[in-house]
Amino acid sequence: DQQVKQNSPSLSVQEGRISILNCDYTNSMFDYFLWYKKYPAEGPTFLISISSIKDKNEDGRFTVFLNKSAKHLSLHIVPSQPGDSAVYFCAASAGISNFGNEKLTFGTGTRLTIIP
Amino acid sequence: GAVVSQHPSWVICKSGTSVKIECRSLDFQATTMFWYRQFPKQSLMLMATSNEGSKATYEQGVEKDKFLINHASLTLSTLTVTSAHPEDSSFYICSADTSGLAGVVVSYNEQFFGPGTRLTVL
Repeated sequence: DQQVKQNSPSLSVQEGRISILNCDYTNSMFDYFLWYKKYPAEGPTFLISISSIKDKNEDGRFTVFLNKSAKHLSLHIVPSQPGDSAVYFCAASAGISNFGNEKLTFGTGTRLTIIP
Repeated sequence: GAVVSQHPSWVICKSGTSVKIECRSLDFQATTMFWYRQFPKQSLMLMATSNEGSKATYEQGVEKDKFLINHASLTLSTLTVTSAHPEDSSFYICSADTSGLAGVVVSYNEQFFGPGTRLTVL
């Protein structure tokens, strides 16, 4: 049961344009969402996150939007740069565990290719 | 920022042997580390949560006797794949969070990921 879904396995965007990556989730207990960027043979790198009490969070060229009613979030990258080419994973967590940390459930990833 | 290392970065072994993978937080203490595996073109799947000084918590479907986890210190967790078989071939990634000492409830803490270990079982 895939609780976090990224339905687009790949996306190509022209350099300078906006990249929009989408993510849907099914578990209504998720209250914190994150986006990670991953290069081949490397671990994921944290990009940006959003709490369920917000609908938007912005950090430089990266903005994440959350639509709780639709259980949908998106990552906007503008302007897109060649170095943004990577696989992007969205992840979600539900509450705080006994040790003050949260398990992450990852989506399947979207491979973003920025065309120069 | 916080750095997490993994060793080895890749390993090839014969079927039936055991392989140990180390995960270290280099410049911070991590009471909790997570172990993931990723098959090609698939998501990162959480295998287990490793807490310093206590037994690891395994996700459903993960054999704890096959994937032995030891979190001996605040900077080191190890994953041992015992009696490895070709179907265990995968990319194994650890992460460590920056939460404080056990028992202190904090808001969400960012996880920092290691570079991963590519395991190939022949």
